[in-house]
Amino acid sequence: AQSVTQLGSHVSVSEGALVLLRCNYSSSVPPYLFWYVQYPNQGLQLLLKYTTGATLVKGINGFEAEFKKSETSFHLTKPSAHMSDAAEYFCAVTLMFSGGYNKLIFGAGTRLAVHP
Amino acid sequence: EAGVTQFPSHSVIEKGQTVTLRCDPISGHDNLYWYRRVMGKEIKFLLHFVKESKQDESGMPNNRFLAERTGGTYSTLKVQPAELEDSGVYFCASSQNRKRGPSFFSYEQYFGPGTRLTVT
Repeated sequence: AQSVTQLGSHVSVSEGALVLLRCNYSSSVPPYLFWYVQYPNQGLQLLLKYTTGATLVKGINGFEAEFKKSETSFHLTKPSAHMSDAAEYFCAVTLMFSGGYNKLIFGAGTRLAVHP
Repeated sequence: EAGVTQFPSHSVIEKGQTVTLRCDPISGHDNLYWYRRVMGKEIKFLLHFVKESKQDESGMPNNRFLAERTGGTYSTLKVQPAELEDSGVYFCASSQNRKRGPSFFSYEQYFGPGTRLTVT
């Protein structure tokens, strides 16, 4: 069975500091991995995804994540935090089925606070 | 292109009442998913439609929940009768199928803003 663990339900950083949000997954087969962000009063927005190929993936708003199979991790990073990055971030995993569908398994979410 | 829309944005009902949530997916997306986030917990899958057919309803909590997708367009999720533990945010998502060889695959899901349901 697949599962996702996000370490730290709340993370606080200073503006300009490195953002690191941790995600570890459990999957018996190669997974597809996603990071979604939810800004206040908005829906979930896809930040980036890993399916196959390059293990370092770049997303929107300067975020990137690296798929490390040996560590079963998919941590999200951004070199310099901006006040507008304050939001809740969700890591998710899925499998690709030949039937052409996939349900997402989410972590519990990490709320990022950015202070001046 | 319009995104996934959900209605209402917020619903407050009393225990025992009925509530119907609506989701309009992105036009042309065959796949429609319902998810739910109960306070402080992770977002959990409820069910998945491919066009008008239920592909997977393994996440539906119990028979008080009924989902439909008439004509393969919009979907409704009815809770009858509502209980206190049904409170949470209900998300809808849709995705397109892409052909790869003889098979179809779909992985990028687009989410709506959610409906916050409060049962008192």
